[in-house]
Amino acid sequence: DAKTTQPPSMDCAEGRAANLPCNHSTISGNEYVYWYRQIHSQGPQYIIHGLKNNETNEMASLIITEDRKSSTLILPHATLRDTAVYYCIVRVAGMIKAAGNKLTFGGGTRVLVKP
Amino acid sequence: SQTIHQWPATLVQPVGSPLSLECTVEGTSNPNLYWYRQAAGRGLQLLFYSVGIGQISSEVPQNLSASRPQDRQFILSSKKLLLSDSGFYLCAWGGQLYEQYFGPGTRLTVT
Repeated sequence: DAKTTQPPSMDCAEGRAANLPCNHSTISGNEYVYWYRQIHSQGPQYIIHGLKNNETNEMASLIITEDRKSSTLILPHATLRDTAVYYCIVRVAGMIKAAGNKLTFGGGTRVLVKP
Repeated sequence: SQTIHQWPATLVQPVGSPLSLECTVEGTSNPNLYWYRQAAGRGLQLLFYSVGIGQISSEVPQNLSASRPQDRQFILSSKKLLLSDSGFYLCAWGGQLYEQYFGPGTRLTVT
């Protein structure tokens, strides 16, 4: 799996957009970008994933650069409840059930939303 | 919809005592199942995963074991707990494209 690099922490203001960067310069053509977050004392929560097109769901938007070497998770209107550690993970596409479909969580970005 | 349960939510056990944590999933069949541990202030460490009944893969050597007696049941066990086994234990099940859905976790303190 390609390695990802994220800033260790960032602050953002409540009500403003939060833009979380992730570098994955060694990503290969069949690898997806996944984002999870972990709110304190809870299990990680799946947010979104994408291959090369930008993706949007009810939680966030994922912008992937044309060369796919970096991506940005956008929380459009950050709330205090978005304070969490955000993980960017790159993984080969496809459902290879027998191989376990394992994910490797790195250090993530600790996001603090301030009032 | 799919739901994942873990119990107990918190547990305090003395060193040398046995451990059994249970995880069950509803609303899906033949899922991949995972046990993770998160030590205080640390990242998530994958301990075990299972692709089917009776099939267990261990990621790191340790004092723990896992079993999957039923399709939607995953159990984490230890015969004798160590202080280093303290942590937040999370069970997860795997979706179609590597997304994983996590349970509420069990916070274990070994004293």
